[in-house]
Amino acid sequence: SQQGEEDPQALSIQEGENATMNCSYKTSINNLQWYRQNSGRGLVHLILIRSNEREKHSGRLRVTLDTSKKSSSLLITASRAADTASYFCATDLYNFNKFYFGSGTKLNVKP
Amino acid sequence: DTGVSQNPRHKITKRGQNVTFRCDPISEHNRLYWYRQTLGQGPEFLTYFQNEAQLEKSRLLSDRFSAERPKGSFSTLEIQRTEQGDSAMYLCASSLPGPSPEQYFGPGTRLTVT
Repeated sequence: SQQGEEDPQALSIQEGENATMNCSYKTSINNLQWYRQNSGRGLVHLILIRSNEREKHSGRLRVTLDTSKKSSSLLITASRAADTASYFCATDLYNFNKFYFGSGTKLNVKP
Repeated sequence: DTGVSQNPRHKITKRGQNVTFRCDPISEHNRLYWYRQTLGQGPEFLTYFQNEAQLEKSRLLSDRFSAERPKGSFSTLEIQRTEQGDSAMYLCASSLPGPSPEQYFGPGTRLTVT
């Protein structure tokens, strides 16, 4: 089974609102990454947070990591229609170099 | 374009036929990964290479699947005796070395087995 699971599976918001999606995982990790996939296109890396970090920002993105709860959240502020995509978290097992992706959160930002 | 490229982009084949996909990674990346993605799911790890060495292979990968990366440059993924359940998007990614690096994904090859 997949290591990471996102919640919610789908999210629909109005442009300008904030979007929050969560990822839970099962075992200890080295780091956690978030990726975006537009319909019919490849995945694009958004942000990486290491296991010793608690929060990280990149532009309109804010990621938190709680290793005690084995969970992470991705916040997109002031959403735009162009943010419409599926968002996946990817985790690795400590000392391994293979990545486990969740099933994703499908975000729809309505203009 | 200096990104990861994959060919072909689409492949339709009949059940029982063999297919081969190619991935050209970013030139300075020595790591290369193959994933499979079905509709509504995230990418599922298949295998990864560091240079020409195949270092990890998913237990989910049957012996009908084989991947190579001769000379540590491009990689091929072959599926023998295709089955309808092999229909999926096959994604390739590459990265620099190091712990849990950022992966750069190609556009994928969509396989349809009829």
